Amino acid sequence: IQLTQSPSLLSASVGDRVTLSCKGSQNINNYLAWYQQKLGEAPKLLIYNTNSLQTGIPSRFSGSGSGTDYTLTISSLQPEDVATYFCYQYNNGLTFGSGTKLEIK
Amino acid sequence: EVQLVESGGGLVQPGRSLKLSCAASGFTFSNYYMAWVRQAPKKGLEWVATISTSGSRTYYPDSVKGRFTISRDNAKSSLYLQMNSLKSEDTATYYCARQQVYYGSLYYFDYWGQGVMVTVSS
Repeated sequence: IQLTQSPSLLSASVGDRVTLSCKGSQNINNYLAWYQQKLGEAPKLLIYNTNSLQTGIPSRFSGSGSGTDYTLTISSLQPEDVATYFCYQYNNGLTFGSGTKLEIK
Repeated sequence: EVQLVESGGGLVQPGRSLKLSCAASGFTFSNYYMAWVRQAPKKGLEWVATISTSGSRTYYPDSVKGRFTISRDNAKSSLYLQMNSLKSEDTATYYCARQQVYYGSLYYFDYWGQGVMVTVSS
């Protein structure tokens, strides 16, 4: 399954509600996770099984979606959220999206 | 606290071999599937290999199958990746990761190490 993330680059202001998209080439059946990768760091798991928040992750992060279309939402953007975000599917094979780079405007 | 620390990276010539290691702590290593995931410079992430708790089952994508071998030593809480016949396209940061599994199906990676760089170049 190929994953397409959009946009590839997103600029937003602190406090904004931000939405990142991930679209699969086939049905993902909710077997989707989201990772945050800050510059020079390892990826960190944010969301798994489409909408389950990983322990220790702030509640401003949430996930939703079904079928081929999935979304990561940050309800109120914070400066520490600057990072690249990857989606990852484990329904058929194990593949990652190409990432969305999130910047502060 | 879960900790994964990779080692063994470096510069290697095309066609040669390299073995990566990952030392795990902060959890019962033998209870978890483990994996390697790589990231080429300024590129996305690619799953490279997974191994079952006992080591009896291993999984690879076609891009590395037959060249890379994942193994583990539960007594030492260590994970390994033997990489043979290396190519320039194997140049990447290699991450050790703990992988969740449900009813034999491979799921997401919940903890990652800091990564080790492998450069394949003459």
